[in-house]
Order: sequence, then structure tokens, then C-alpha cells
Amino acid sequence: DSGVTQTPKHLITATGQRVTLRCSPRSGDLSVYWYQQSLDQGLQFLIQYYNGEERAKGNILERFSAQQFPDLHSELNLSSLELGDSALYFCASSVGRGTQYFGPGTRLLVL
Amino acid sequence: AQKVTQAQTEISVVEKEDVTLDCVYETRDTTYYLFWYKQPPSGELVFLIRRNSFDEQNEISGRYSWNFQKSTSSFNFTITASQVVDSAVYFCALSEAGIGWSGAGSYQLTFGKGTKLSVIP
Repeated sequence: DSGVTQTPKHLITATGQRVTLRCSPRSGDLSVYWYQQSLDQGLQFLIQYYNGEERAKGNILERFSAQQFPDLHSELNLSSLELGDSALYFCASSVGRGTQYFGPGTRLLVL
Repeated sequence: AQKVTQAQTEISVVEKEDVTLDCVYETRDTTYYLFWYKQPPSGELVFLIRRNSFDEQNEISGRYSWNFQKSTSSFNFTITASQVVDSAVYFCALSEAGIGWSGAGSYQLTFGKGTKLSVIP
């Protein structure tokens, strides 16, 4: 158990819908990273937050957004969903430059 | 831009054999971190090892060992006496120092495509 929690574990929704994925980092970790894992793109970095502020952006679509709350949990919002958004979404947390520990992931299926 | 290449897509070995997973990386930074993660069939990503660019000492941890060579930009991972439970996809990943050199920098990971290891009983 990495200490990072993600909910929900599975999510099935329809095209055009909006969903929110939640992540709670390990105790004491200020950084939260979001990654997407798909068959064609592999594991890709989406976005990072550090102590409530956006720190870096990767290959994140404009339809996607995220935030980190004062209690350090983070949410990834995916809107106007398309079939191609079906993927496994991971969050990871770390202490600064330390090793990133991953949550169990949220498996999203868009029908 | 940083890049990680895992040329081996799939490997099959018989239990108790040793297996080495290859990883080649590209980066312009002089300070960076290298990682190996394991993704078993259950789907989670499990951290295995981490190596800093300024430390080329190779180590052994139980059945795991790694060979980090800056001269060839390689970070290979070896499992000794493989077991069926080692069957998983293994990812090599690279993190550069990011913005500045502080705990508040960004250290996002760039992953290779992964190597699927099947250990046959």
C-alpha cells in the first residue's frame, strides 16, 4: 500500500459527460501529480500541483482541469468526454524532489 | 527533451532464470533521477528503485540489481532467480531537476513504453 488513495476505482460514463477523479496524497506529501495511461499513448504526465498551486503542465487537454485543496487532496476534472479519454488515471504524490508513489488508479470507461 | 526507451516489448523466462530489462534514456540535464516501477496484472504502479545521476554505484537489493552507466545512458534492471510473482509490466522512468533546484520544482516522470515480463513456472 503506497499510502496514496484514489476514488473511484472504476468509472463508466457516456460521451459528453463530466467526471471528477479524487486523490489523497500520502501524509506529509505536498506534491500531487496526475498521469494518464492508455494503450496507444502509454503513461503520460498530465499536471502537477504543489501545496495548492499548479506547478507544471504536461499533455493535458483543455477539457481537463485539476486543483489541489488546502487539505492537499486533489481532483482531476474531465469534461466533454470522448471515447478516446478511456484510460487508467493515476495520481502520485511526493515530498518535493522525492520518489513519486502512485495510487491504485481510476479506470475510466467512456461509452 | 527527455526520452526513455525500453526496446524489449515482451520477455518470457522460465522460473528461476535471471532476466535483465534494458532502459536507455536521453536528457540534457546533468542532474536527473532514474526509476523502475512495476505494474502487476492488478494495475497499480509499484516503486522499485531510484538512482540519482550523480551516483553511479550499482547495488543489489535482494533479488533486484541495477546497472547504471552514464557513458551509455543506460539504466538496466536485473531480477535474479525470477519467480512467477515477478510477472508484470516494468517501466523505466526519468525525472529531470525541473524548475529550479528546490523541493518546489517539478519532477514529472517520463516513462518508457514498458516491458512485459512473463515468468513461466
